[in-house]
Amino acid sequence: QSVLTQPPSVSAAPGQKVTISCSGTRSNIGNNYVSWYQQLPGTAPKLLIYDNDKRPSGIRDRFSGSKSGTSATLGITGLQTGDEADYYCGTWDSSLSAVVFGGGTKLTVL
Amino acid sequence: QVQLQESGPRLVKPSGTLSLTCAVSGVSISSNNWWNWVRQSPGKGLEWIGEIHHNGATNYNPSLRGRVTMSMDKSTNHLSLTLSPVNAADTAMYYCARGSALPSSVDDPWGQGILVTVSS
Repeated sequence: QSVLTQPPSVSAAPGQKVTISCSGTRSNIGNNYVSWYQQLPGTAPKLLIYDNDKRPSGIRDRFSGSKSGTSATLGITGLQTGDEADYYCGTWDSSLSAVVFGGGTKLTVL
Repeated sequence: QVQLQESGPRLVKPSGTLSLTCAVSGVSISSNNWWNWVRQSPGKGLEWIGEIHHNGATNYNPSLRGRVTMSMDKSTNHLSLTLSPVNAADTAMYYCARGSALPSSVDDPWGQGILVTVSS
């Protein structure tokens, strides 16, 4: 059981928008920055969003992040088949003294 | 371009020692970054193992504390991870990844990972 809660799967059609939620508590999301990672099949995770809503260089603005209270959301617009991947949220947990991740959400672009 | 590459034995016996190395290129590990190890059990999610800074500071996941040790060799620009003793639950893909200038954050890039199986 992961500390952060994500939906196991989401799906949408090409060109559409999808959001992926990440729910936590005050000890993690509520008081710390959230990052989002994309893991394409058979590859290592890649940073998509850091500090809740910042994109690293090279990440398209189709990807966005937000945080409110103890929840965070990843948004992806203009979906492409190449976006099919597992997406993970992560943050520091002050009570556990560890970086924690969500269980991952599998995105299917129908 | 910063690149990380994990290496080490892919098969470890139960109660034995898992030892991995991460070769870092494109940046000095003495730069103002933390360096992380993360693992992923087959078909499962991500688990943070811990982080190390060039000043010698380390932070380990409490769930693994007592079994894990991280170190770095500045002369060769390599990171090292040791986990002992291991059991079947430690079978996983192990990744090294650069962190930020502040602790407790796994950033980019990640190595390609190395699958380590614990089995007799």
